[in-house]
Amino acid sequence: DVKVTQSSRYLVKRTGEKVFLECVQDMDHENMFWYRQDPGLGLRLIYFSYDVKMKEKGDIPEGYSVSREKKERFSLILESASTNQTSMYLCASRRGSPYEQYFGPGTRLTVT
Amino acid sequence: GESVGLHLPTLSVQEGDNSIINCAYSNSASDYFIWYKQESGKGPQFIIDIRSNMDKRQGQRVTVLLNKTVKHLSLQIAATQPGDSAVYFCAENRGGATNKLIFGTGTLLAVQP
Repeated sequence: DVKVTQSSRYLVKRTGEKVFLECVQDMDHENMFWYRQDPGLGLRLIYFSYDVKMKEKGDIPEGYSVSREKKERFSLILESASTNQTSMYLCASRRGSPYEQYFGPGTRLTVT
Repeated sequence: GESVGLHLPTLSVQEGDNSIINCAYSNSASDYFIWYKQESGKGPQFIIDIRSNMDKRQGQRVTVLLNKTVKHLSLQIAATQPGDSAVYFCAENRGGATNKLIFGTGTLLAVQP
């Protein structure tokens, strides 16, 4: 089975802090994604990566950056956390297109 | 945890009945479609997929129907069980340069015992 893991299930940070969310997949997938999920808005794509060291902006990249130094790991960075970044963050991976994306359990981030 | 079911359309069914969840997609060039299930506080879980060259695909207790003429997708769950209670949403794969998945906002399925 494909396994996508995220470093934290729950995280509480203060405004202005730098936040790192880590995601690891164990199926040698080439593509990885970061989404945020908010009630009524569905899943919105922040960044994605087709391969190591490659990254592309999604629909809402402002305030975020990403890093992919190894194939299995994709990190989301909040440079200076703000309260409007309080959300559920979901990482996903897939072997290519068009194939299904497998999601991690999510990190619920609260910024106070 | 906070429910992803807030503000969503809800389908309420009796245990043992069949459920039909619908989804309209927007892009006639989309070539691949997926249904996901998401339980409260968890990540979405893949249920079933279908490619645009098919109009029906069956899995275990689930069937997906694709009507390209009206850009409509449906998920049928046979003999619905309490464990099926969750938010269900569809995703379409938009081909071309980015091959991104576009997700619907979802339907909350509530199974009454």
